Amino acid sequence: QLVESGGGLVQPGGSLRLSCAASGFTFSTYWMSWVRQAPGKGPECVANIKQDGSVEYYVDSVKGRFTISRDNAKNSLFLQMNSLRAEDTAVYYCARGGDQWLLRYVWNYWGQGTLVTVSS
Amino acid sequence: DIVMTQSPDSLAVSLGERATINCKSSQSVLYTYDSQNYLVWYQQKPGQPPKLLISWASTRESGVPDRFSGSGSGTDFTLTIASLQPEDVAVYYCQQFYSTPITFGQGTRLEIK
Repeated sequence: QLVESGGGLVQPGGSLRLSCAASGFTFSTYWMSWVRQAPGKGPECVANIKQDGSVEYYVDSVKGRFTISRDNAKNSLFLQMNSLRAEDTAVYYCARGGDQWLLRYVWNYWGQGTLVTVSS
Repeated sequence: DIVMTQSPDSLAVSLGERATINCKSSQSVLYTYDSQNYLVWYQQKPGQPPKLLISWASTRESGVPDRFSGSGSGTDFTLTIASLQPEDVAVYYCQQFYSTPITFGQGTRLEIK
């Protein structure tokens, strides 16, 4: 199970920290991602992190503004979002990738999502 | 970036009939090293996250009904639902994981006629 929290309404330029609590599987053995979906649009992978946190990926539109991290001892995934823009408005999903490099971007478990709205 | 284009954008099919959704990538997602197509299909119902249906273009995930099948290679792929059921009403997305940025198709909305 993946449960996200931390979404809400924030003004442009503001910050939010999303959290994802994982249970029911060995969290430390899987790649994890944040995937967002703007209203009426398809999903978009914004960030991805390796099992031990040593490798991170960001889509170009969030590089330098978002930071993904994980705490394997607490089975938790995080997304620190700074300098938020209107175009960051979306439902943000925590998603589990594979346990192998090849499957790091194939998500077979998803949380229910948390809505982030960036508006003045 | 690899652009994924699905057709049609929406589709209405009678219960028990076949539904076919197409996905075309702007460049091949077939990795010659392992002869695998780096493409998956998801189903998304209203208010729910996407659900992984098919990986490697044609491998059905555990628990997915066998009326769902995937085919294709290189740049052209198809998701087929052999006999449409009421619970199949959803938006379907293809996604490539051949290269970053990871990209999805725009989605195909499937409805009952």
